[in-house]
Amino acid sequence: EVQLLDSGGGLVQPGGSLRLSCAASGFTFSRDAMSWVRQAPGKGLEWVSGITGSGGNTYYADSVKGRFTISRDNSKNTLYLQMNSLRAEDTAVYYCARQMVYANPYFDYWGQGTLVTVSS
Amino acid sequence: DIQMTQSPSSVSASVGDRVTITCRASQGFSSGLAWYQQKPGKAPKLLIYAASSLQGGVPSRFSGSGSGTDFTLTINSLQPEDFATYYCQQANSFPLTFGGGTTVEIK
Repeated sequence: EVQLLDSGGGLVQPGGSLRLSCAASGFTFSRDAMSWVRQAPGKGLEWVSGITGSGGNTYYADSVKGRFTISRDNSKNTLYLQMNSLRAEDTAVYYCARQMVYANPYFDYWGQGTLVTVSS
Repeated sequence: DIQMTQSPSSVSASVGDRVTITCRASQGFSSGLAWYQQKPGKAPKLLIYAASSLQGGVPSRFSGSGSGTDFTLTINSLQPEDFATYYCQQANSFPLTFGGGTTVEIK
């Protein structure tokens, strides 16, 4: 059974940093591209960042480019999102999501989400 | 970036109704579109991918169609468990983008 377990969220001050983790199990992690998607309170979904299975290619939304870094450790079956220079508008539930094995990036499995609150 | 505009933003419907949700892209593409269902406090669930392919385990009352700039999600014979928020997502190019969401409410 595919499982994704998000963790690392919490309260952080503006300008601070946080690292999110997503522990994967039940599938060949190194084969599959992964993404982070966030949802601000009461708002819609926003794709944040993606990474290929090998980690060789990464992609970012303009809103986080230069501040966030996606990475993965395939030996630990874990996806990461390093978030620096955090702003109030980064407050959201962050989900990791697996991209299904297909030509286009669709998300067939999601973590339960971890809440990041940026506030002084 | 490709902008995705969903309509309506909300719809009131009764059990047994047919509901249609539309997603319009700012640039045309062939079929790189998905639909997700989200219930309060839960992660989204993939319903449709490649515009019209039903994800495994999803009831056949859900269907998707469209290409170019206009895509549609149809729910036939709405069931109580279908009251939720629905999002489209373009998977044609990075950055990936979602529509603003459509909430299906009980009339």
